[in-house]
Amino acid sequence: GQNIDQPTEMTATEGAIVQINCTYQTSGFNGLFWYQQHAGEAPTFLSYNVLDGLEEKGRFSSFLSRSKGYSYLLLKELQMKDSASYLCAAMDSNYQLIWGAGTKLIIKP
Amino acid sequence: IAGITQAPTSQILAAGRRMTLRCTQDMRHNAMYWYRQDLGLGLRLIHYSNTAGTTGKGEVPDGYSVSRANTDDFPLTLASAVPSQTSVYFCASSRDQGANVLTFGAGSRLTVL
Repeated sequence: GQNIDQPTEMTATEGAIVQINCTYQTSGFNGLFWYQQHAGEAPTFLSYNVLDGLEEKGRFSSFLSRSKGYSYLLLKELQMKDSASYLCAAMDSNYQLIWGAGTKLIIKP
Repeated sequence: IAGITQAPTSQILAAGRRMTLRCTQDMRHNAMYWYRQDLGLGLRLIHYSNTAGTTGKGEVPDGYSVSRANTDDFPLTLASAVPSQTSVYFCASSRDQGANVLTFGAGSRLTVL
């Protein structure tokens, strides 16, 4: 079956770095997405990886290893506004998105 | 401002009632989707439409129906609501089916008693 695993909750300190991991199993693969969702709001797009390697976008970076079925989202210089849930989603061969349950990131001062 | 508008924002209804959640986008996106989000679970696809005039079933379609009469509108109907349909419903769109970024509406919180 198709599956996405990511930690349920993580805690980090303001100004620090945090890495949120995601492993996936899909029938075929057409890319890995990360979305950010603040409580009570809609998910918003953060990053897309389809090739192995690291994609950097400001304070956020996303990494993909297709051979390992593994991705991570790296957040640097954490700010209080980064407190949110981070959703990992893999796209299968039929271009359907398989979503993880999300990782709730709590930032402490 | 370009985006997706969902209505209502929140609704409480009695079991057995019919309910339509509205979704309108002004980005001229071809593909539209309805998801439900429940605590502890990932977003689950209910129905989708790759282009106006076509619809398809997602992961959890039972008890729901959709229509896509034009590019902009994609309403979701619950014919006879049941308590297990209590959830937050998100409408989303993308330029095309495929590896495209989804834009989400603000969500509709539905409680079925």
